[in-house]
Amino acid sequence: GAVVSQHPSWVICKSGTSVKIECRSLDFQATTMFWYRQFPKQSLMLMATSNEGSKATYEQGVEKDKFLINHASLTLSTLTVTSAHPEDSSFYICSAYILSSGRENEQFFGPGTRLTVL
Amino acid sequence: AQKITQTQPGMFVQEKEAVTLDCTYDTSDPSYGLFWYKQPSSGEMIFLIYQGSYDQQNATEGRYSLNFQKARKSANLVISASQLGDSAMYFCAGKDSNYQLIWGAGTKLIIKP
Repeated sequence: GAVVSQHPSWVICKSGTSVKIECRSLDFQATTMFWYRQFPKQSLMLMATSNEGSKATYEQGVEKDKFLINHASLTLSTLTVTSAHPEDSSFYICSAYILSSGRENEQFFGPGTRLTVL
Repeated sequence: AQKITQTQPGMFVQEKEAVTLDCTYDTSDPSYGLFWYKQPSSGEMIFLIYQGSYDQQNATEGRYSLNFQKARKSANLVISASQLGDSAMYFCAGKDSNYQLIWGAGTKLIIKP
């Protein structure tokens, strides 16, 4: 159990286009999901906390108009990179935790989405 | 706010040897949690082990154990009998009160045959 999927696994797009990345909790409900980005050979950087039914909370320095997050249901959060540019190329990972006794200590990660902007 | 420090950018270890990956943390919260994750080249984050600040005993999960020394604020990961498949990036992370994870810089572990 506790599986998180991401789609797509990798995407190549032209500069100026928008890309949507989906994060789904397959066998549990996730009130909260987290979005991270990771540059090569670096650690994960938290971009935003996505809460079902409310606006996402963005970390300092993350442009909310560029990285649109929608958490419309308890099993789906989407990250849309708008007007993507080459500097947005990165590895994007989502995670979710289970709000139930005993498992809330663990975050479950999606497999990640590798975005390359030409 | 929490801070997680991993001072080893990379390590080479001979297969079948034990390896210790260092992690120190700095937090003012009396209640916190510490995690270790493995990230192979495929990119997925694999949960290895968790230690709660109030846990009396060091956490163990198969070949993984966590050497938790509260006074020294360290939570080192010990991998016993290393295998070639253990080659990966390893991240130490601390959980804050909002369930957000604060990440260390990571250690690249390479197991030599």
